[in-house]
Formats: sequence, C-alpha cells, structure tokens
Amino acid sequence: DAGVIQSPRHEVTEMGQEVTLRCKPISGHDYLFWYRQTMMRGLELLIYFNNNVPIDDSGMPEDRFSAKMPNASFSTLKIQPSEPRDSAVYFCASSSFALSVQPQHFGDGTRLSIL
Amino acid sequence: AQSVAQPEDQVNVAEGNPLTVKCTYSVSGNPYLFWYVQYPNRGLQFLLKYITGDNLVKGSYGFEAEFNKSQTSFHLKKPSALVSDSALYFCAVRDVNDYKLSFGAGTTVTVRA
Repeated sequence: DAGVIQSPRHEVTEMGQEVTLRCKPISGHDYLFWYRQTMMRGLELLIYFNNNVPIDDSGMPEDRFSAKMPNASFSTLKIQPSEPRDSAVYFCASSSFALSVQPQHFGDGTRLSIL
Repeated sequence: AQSVAQPEDQVNVAEGNPLTVKCTYSVSGNPYLFWYVQYPNRGLQFLLKYITGDNLVKGSYGFEAEFNKSQTSFHLKKPSALVSDSALYFCAVRDVNDYKLSFGAGTTVTVRA
C-alpha cells in the first residue's frame, strides 16, 4: 500500500502567486480530508469530501482557498492569491468508514512558505 | 461541538521509565477516540483507537490507552519508554454521528537516554 501521496513536499513562492497542492488518497478510500498545521493554531480541518463531493468546507479560511476532487484518486487545494499568513504545513488524509470505524491515514504534507 | 484538551505541552521521561500522555475530551454523544504520533517532517501516524468495549486499548509500538467515561479521559501510556518514542503526540475525538476529527494541541514527548 503506497499510502497517501502529496506533492510537492515543499513549496516556496511569492505573495500573490497561485499555489496548487495535490493529493492522491489510498485506493478504495471514499473520504478525503485537507488539514492545515501551524504552531499558533495547531491542526485545523479545512474541508472534507465523500465520494468526490465536498461535504463540509466550513474550515476553509477565505474565498482565496478552494478545493476540488475531480475523481476518486486525486484532489487539489488551491490558494489564489497567496499571502504570507498562508504559510503552513498542509496535510491530506483519507479513510473509509464503510465497514467499520477506521482511522484517517495522513500523507507527509506539503510545507508551504509564502514570501 | 467536540473538543480535545492535552494539558501538557511537554512530557520528559528517562528511557525505561513509564510514559503517560494525558487527554480529556468533550463530545455531545458517544466518542470515538484516537491517538496519533508525528515525527519531524512527517505526517501523523495512527497508534490506536477506542470505539467500544474494553476500556483498555492496545496499539502499535507497545502503546496502550485507557478510556474513562466518567472522567472523559483517554490517556496514552507505555510501560517502558524508548528514546525512539520522542515525538509529537496528538489525541483526537469524533462523535459517532460525525466524520470530522477534532485534534488536541499536541504533546511533545522527549525520552532521554
């Protein structure tokens, strides 16, 4: 099992640029979650999908943030335009709750730095 | 609403000594509880979960946790800590009727040789 795969692992860009983070969930998982981790705020859930449909985006901080899941094996989190306060580690996690209560499996994250 | 409190930012123990990381939770219904560990520059790794049944749950790498409903606690324990257990530990809770996890702020564990 390859686990959850995120790319890029590191991203450094200038303020105002568009940033796209990518996630490939574990095959067969029907739930996908995007989190942001900062020292100040800890781990925050941004949005989650079920069967490629966004279920709860109440954690998305601003309209500058958007997320899509065009198919079961791919999701993107986009920030446009980016700001220095968006600097954080962004995690994607996936799970399946069809048969039992399973944990969420996390990728290794994308460390984003906005200059 | 659901929430988790990890009252200790840091826990320091000597190798070979028992390790305890504290967690209390709040949910409106019945809880599902989880412990995760995070090593530097890595994602969160699942350690163990409580769903129902036996209050003592055993997980990976010799860790266990005890669910206490009356105290709304789910403390993580290891009888004999290793230097390699040094990491950031997160407790998480979700209501049985929800899929969203709420995480605590994390506890940094340092095990000295």
